[in-house]
Amino acid sequence: DAGVIQSPRHEVTEMGQEVTLRCKPISGHDYLFWYRQTMMRGLELLIYFNNNVPIDDSGMPEDRFSAKMPNASFSTLKIQPSEPRDSAVYFCASSFPTGTGELFFGEGSRLTVL
Amino acid sequence: AQSVAQPEDQVNVAEGNPLTVKCTYSVSGNPYLFWYVQYPNRGLQFLLKYITGDNLVKGSYGFEAEFNKSQTSFHLKKPSALVSDSALYFCAVRAAYNTDKLIFGTGTRLQVFP
Repeated sequence: DAGVIQSPRHEVTEMGQEVTLRCKPISGHDYLFWYRQTMMRGLELLIYFNNNVPIDDSGMPEDRFSAKMPNASFSTLKIQPSEPRDSAVYFCASSFPTGTGELFFGEGSRLTVL
Repeated sequence: AQSVAQPEDQVNVAEGNPLTVKCTYSVSGNPYLFWYVQYPNRGLQFLLKYITGDNLVKGSYGFEAEFNKSQTSFHLKKPSALVSDSALYFCAVRAAYNTDKLIFGTGTRLQVFP
C-alpha cells in the first residue's frame, strides 16, 4: 500500500484565497483525521471521521475551515478565506477501526499564506 | 480530560549512550499511551503503545517505554542512541474509550551527537 497520500505537499497563497487540501487514506481504514502542526501550538486535532461521517469537529478553528469525506478513499480540508495565521503543516492520518490508536500519517501539506 | 506532558523541549545525548525522553500522563480510567516519532519534513510514525500487560513495552528501531502507574509516567528509552535517532518525539494518549482520537504532547526534540 502506498500509505496516506496528501496533496499538495506545498501551497503558497495570498490572504483571502481559497485553499483546498486533499487526502487519500489507506484502503480499509475507517478513521480519518486532520491535524495541524505549528511551532506555537504544536499538533492539534482539527476533525476526524469514522466511516465517512464527521465525529468530532471541535478542533476546527472557525467557520472558515470545513472538511468533507465524500467517500472512503478521499477527504478534503478547505479554508476560505485563508489568513496568514493559517500557515502551518496540515497532516492527514488514517487508522483501522480497532481503537488501538495506531495512526498512519501522510507526509503533510505545508501551507503558507502571505 | 486526558492529557500528556513532555517536560523537556530538547534532549541531547552522545551516540552510544542511553537515552530517555520523558512523558507523564493524566487520565481517567485505564490509559492507552503511545509514542510517535517525526523525522524532518515527514509525517509522524508510530513507535510503540501501552494498553495493558507488561510495564516495559518494546517498539520499533530498538526503542522501548516503561509504564509506571504510581508515577503516572511513560518514558521512552533506548539503551544505545544513534545519530539517526535525532528527531522529534511525541507522547500521546487516547482521548476516550473506543476511539482512535489521540491527544499529543508538545513534543521533545532528541539530538544525538556523534
